[in-house]
Amino acid sequence: EVQLVESGGGLVQPGGSLRLYCAASGFTFSDHYMDWVRQAPGKGLEWVGRTRNKANRYTTEYAASVKGRFTISRDDSKNSLYLQMSSLKTEDTAVYYCARVHQQYSGYDYLDYWGQGTLVTVSS
Amino acid sequence: DIQMTQSPSTLSASVGDRVSITCRASQSISNWLAWYQQKPGKAPKLLIYKASSLESGVPSRFSGSGSGTEFTLTISSLQPDDFATYYCQQYNSYPYTFGQGTKLEIK
Repeated sequence: EVQLVESGGGLVQPGGSLRLYCAASGFTFSDHYMDWVRQAPGKGLEWVGRTRNKANRYTTEYAASVKGRFTISRDDSKNSLYLQMSSLKTEDTAVYYCARVHQQYSGYDYLDYWGQGTLVTVSS
Repeated sequence: DIQMTQSPSTLSASVGDRVSITCRASQSISNWLAWYQQKPGKAPKLLIYKASSLESGVPSRFSGSGSGTEFTLTISSLQPDDFATYYCQQYNSYPYTFGQGTKLEIK
């Protein structure tokens, strides 16, 4: 059974940093691209970014709203995905979900499994 | 960036009704569109991929159609479990944007 479990959320002050974690199990983590998606309280879904797999040199993509402030990384030996967030703003307050990309091939890179999310609150 | 616009934002319907939700893209995305269902406090769940392909385990009352810039999610006969919020997402080009969501409410 595919499982994705996020952790690391909490309260942080504006301008601060936080690192989120996503523990994966039930599938060959190293084969898959992985995404982060967030949802502000009472709002819709916002795609944050993606990390590709080793075969694609772990390259990344980011939404403009987080580019230069957030960094996605992974440790395939630990089946773990990370989201390093810095220079946090109040508008970064959201539930952050990690999600598995179905397949790396164009047209098949939709999100087929999601974690339960972890809440990040940016407030003074 | 490609903008995704869903309509309506809210839809009131009854059990047994046939309902449709529209998603429009600001430019052509071929058929690289997914639909997700989200219930309060829960993670989104994949329903449809490649505009019209039904994800394994999803009831056949859900169907998707469209290509290019206009897409539709249809539920043929609403069940109590279907009252939720639905999102479309394009995965044609980065950033992979979502529609703003359609909340399906019980009439």
